Amino acid sequence: AQTVTQSQPEMSVQEAETVTLSCTYDTSESDYYLFWYKQPPSRQMILVIRQEAYKQQNATENRFSVNFQKAAKSFSLKISDSQLGDAAMYFCAEWGSGAGSYQLTFGKGTKLSVIP
Amino acid sequence: DTGVSQDPRHKITKRGQNVTFRCDPISEHNRLYWYRQTLGQGPEFLTYFQNEAQLEKSRLLSDRFSAERPKGSFSTLEIQRTEQGDSAMYLCASSSPGPSYGYTFGSGTRLTVV
Repeated sequence: AQTVTQSQPEMSVQEAETVTLSCTYDTSESDYYLFWYKQPPSRQMILVIRQEAYKQQNATENRFSVNFQKAAKSFSLKISDSQLGDAAMYFCAEWGSGAGSYQLTFGKGTKLSVIP
Repeated sequence: DTGVSQDPRHKITKRGQNVTFRCDPISEHNRLYWYRQTLGQGPEFLTYFQNEAQLEKSRLLSDRFSAERPKGSFSTLEIQRTEQGDSAMYLCASSSPGPSYGYTFGSGTRLTVV
């Protein structure tokens, strides 16, 4: 079974500063994908960034980047130049290809606050 | 295409009543998923459809829960004899074949059982 752990229930960052959200996962799959989703208050969940496990290069999307450490099963999200609109719940998720499963497994989330 | 639509956005029901939620996925997505999210938790998988076939169900999906996706288009999730523990946000998502692009989620249906 896959598990995803987010050890920081809450984080805060000053506007324009950089923050890193942690995520670790446990999977027996050799082929899997990792995702970060953002869920603003009372709004739908949107995909922030994704990483294919077979790629060594860390994914980057504008101000968002990941630090993917495959051996350590770690997948942290770095948000640079934080903006007020970044305030949200952030969920780390893993998708594994084994046993015909198509479900995403989510962590419990990290609530990010941005301080003006 | 306006994304994944869910209806209703909010539902308050009395314990013991039946409720039904609807999800309209992105039209070109053949995969559809239902998740449940309780306060302070991440989404938990309930069930998955590929076209009209229900291919995977979680043990969370008790006998009181049933989902359908007739003709591989919209999907419905029905909860019979609701209990207070069913109070949660019910999320629908859809995707293309393959995980590369993740899911597209709807805004969810918030169920409150009183």
